[in-house]
Amino acid sequence: LAKTTQPISMDSYEGQEVNITCSHNNIATNDYITWYQQFPSQGPRFIIQGYKTKVTNEVASLFIPADRKSSTLSLPRVSLSDTAVYYCLVGDTRSGDKLTFGTGTRLAVRP
Amino acid sequence: GAVVSQHPSWVICKSGTSVKIECRSLDFQATTMFWYRQFPKQSLMLMATSNEGSKATYEQGVEKDKFLINHASLTLSTLTVTSAHPEDSSFYICSAREVGRDSTDTQYFGPGTRLTVL
Repeated sequence: LAKTTQPISMDSYEGQEVNITCSHNNIATNDYITWYQQFPSQGPRFIIQGYKTKVTNEVASLFIPADRKSSTLSLPRVSLSDTAVYYCLVGDTRSGDKLTFGTGTRLAVRP
Repeated sequence: GAVVSQHPSWVICKSGTSVKIECRSLDFQATTMFWYRQFPKQSLMLMATSNEGSKATYEQGVEKDKFLINHASLTLSTLTVTSAHPEDSSFYICSAREVGRDSTDTQYFGPGTRLTVL
């Protein structure tokens, strides 16, 4: 299982774009990168998943460079409600690989 | 996205009693479900992998006789905390693996169950 490293915390202001980078230097060929958001006393919520290049959905974008040793979750124009912990997970989910949670990044959005 | 439910959302019990937590995938079938535990201010810790129709696989350090897992159908997995003690008080979260028609493979999480053992 590829280990991930993220900043422990980040601060931002409403309306700004937030980029959270995750390092996964020993990512394997079949590994996918998945990001989750978690609010206190709630289960993690799926945000986005990707394998390479760029993936975009209605809430976020995921940028993955060619070497796949890192990835960046981009949240456009954050609001106060985006204050949460964000987890980057790497694994070969298609083979039933279990996902291991790291410490995550605690994002605080201020008015 | 796919929806996973848990029941109950919270439970308070006396020390020595057993508590059952249900995890259901509401709009998809899940051959694999996972159980996690999360203590305050900490990350999620995987407890076990639950496979439909077979025995669960437990992570190192998790007592299988204490945390009984049953995955009897493609939409339901249960976790029973037997003879619960105060140190078992925690937030228990399940997830279900959805394999999409477009070959996507994603884990969706339930809302969690807060267990407090007095």
